[in-house]
Amino acid sequence: GAVVSQHPSWVICKSGTSVKIECRSLDFQATTMFWYRQFPKQSLMLMATSNEGSKATYEQGVEKDKFLINHASLTLSTLTVTSAHPEDSSFYICSARGGIDDNEQFFGPGTRLTVL
Amino acid sequence: AQSVAQPEDQVNVAEGNPLTVKCTYSVSGNPYLFWYVQYPNRGLQFLLKYITGDNLVKGSYGFEAEFNKSQTSFHLKKPSALVSDSALYFCAVRDRRGGKLIFGQGTELSVKP
Repeated sequence: GAVVSQHPSWVICKSGTSVKIECRSLDFQATTMFWYRQFPKQSLMLMATSNEGSKATYEQGVEKDKFLINHASLTLSTLTVTSAHPEDSSFYICSARGGIDDNEQFFGPGTRLTVL
Repeated sequence: AQSVAQPEDQVNVAEGNPLTVKCTYSVSGNPYLFWYVQYPNRGLQFLLKYITGDNLVKGSYGFEAEFNKSQTSFHLKKPSALVSDSALYFCAVRDRRGGKLIFGQGTELSVKP
């Protein structure tokens, strides 16, 4: 099946710093990428949807200036958490859709962000 | 509004027994239906999907799910549970116009030896 990677798998940062998370589709071209946030033992909350070369569409309540999303190519999307605070600590998961079967979404392994 | 419900937060099963994880949905039209599994600190792994055709869908690791249009349900099943099946399971739906994937709240499956 299609593979989606995320880097880093975990990151610890100080409050006020910015953190960039990369999401790559390794063996297919992702026309659409999604960013989710997940709290422990809870469901995935969609943060934003991005299409290659265009601005991301953010879900209601998600601050676009705080969570910057760039989908620069068909295989790479980045999420930058700007001026991170402890309440931004969470598990961030990206997902990609595309390739031959556009009905299916493939998920990355997630990135654990801890803000001190 | 579109929604997915997984009525059980937790399901406990003895190894070797059959398991069922329930899912019902409220989506207009004929949606695409999915099941995913998540192990601790990992992303979601695809188990199976229903697009069209036979109501009984077979997926990875011996799992299957039955689409029931009249009951708007898509319950996940496995004839004989393994301890290694213990994980968090998510049901998800997406409308056929290519909309967002909507997740249920998740069900934690615990299989004891």
